[in-house]
Amino acid sequence: SQQGEEDPQALSIQEGENATMNCSYKTSINNLQWYRQNSGRGLVHLILIRSNEREKHSGRLRVTLDTSKKSSSLLITASRAADTASYFCARQYSSASKIIFGSGTRLSIRP
Amino acid sequence: EPEVTQTPSHQVTQMGQEVILRCVPISNHLYFYWYRQILGQKVEFLVSFYNNEISEKSEIFDDQFSVERPDGSNFTLKIRSTKLEDSAMYFCASSDGYEQYFGPGTRLTVT
Repeated sequence: SQQGEEDPQALSIQEGENATMNCSYKTSINNLQWYRQNSGRGLVHLILIRSNEREKHSGRLRVTLDTSKKSSSLLITASRAADTASYFCARQYSSASKIIFGSGTRLSIRP
Repeated sequence: EPEVTQTPSHQVTQMGQEVILRCVPISNHLYFYWYRQILGQKVEFLVSFYNNEISEKSEIFDDQFSVERPDGSNFTLKIRSTKLEDSAMYFCASSDGYEQYFGPGTRLTVT
């Protein structure tokens, strides 16, 4: 299967702490993307990291990609209540091809 | 910033009825996609469309589904005879060949 796994499936942390979510995949990718989804709402694109990149930052978000281990992680630093959402990693195997989403991590930030 | 729009935001229909979900992609994009997300599940690819034809479709996209780009701006998904299991959030996306930009989704409820 081309689909990977995200872990954990659910994560609950205290506001201000860092949250780390991981994603693994099975076959070589063109790029990997992370999306956020608030309950029942649309998909918000967070970061795209290409297969020749190892790390990208955007504000409080840091994404790493290890193509040798076929894994990626999303780190959210100094979490806030508004970060409560589901986070999905999504793989693309060539540019303009379909995106394959993982099952997601449900992140809850406790006040 | 240009964005993908979708109408309606919520559609309720009876089983067996036809529905058309509409999308307006970003104006200079050439690649178009439909995805769906059944409540509580992952986002699944349905179909991609380029140069006025389907470029790829999933197993979900059977003969009950069709897509069309009737004019220079709209991209539609038609479900000919809806089933209960078609109830889901349907997302349209468009791309210039790199990142895909998602619309806010149409929630389809089949009763």
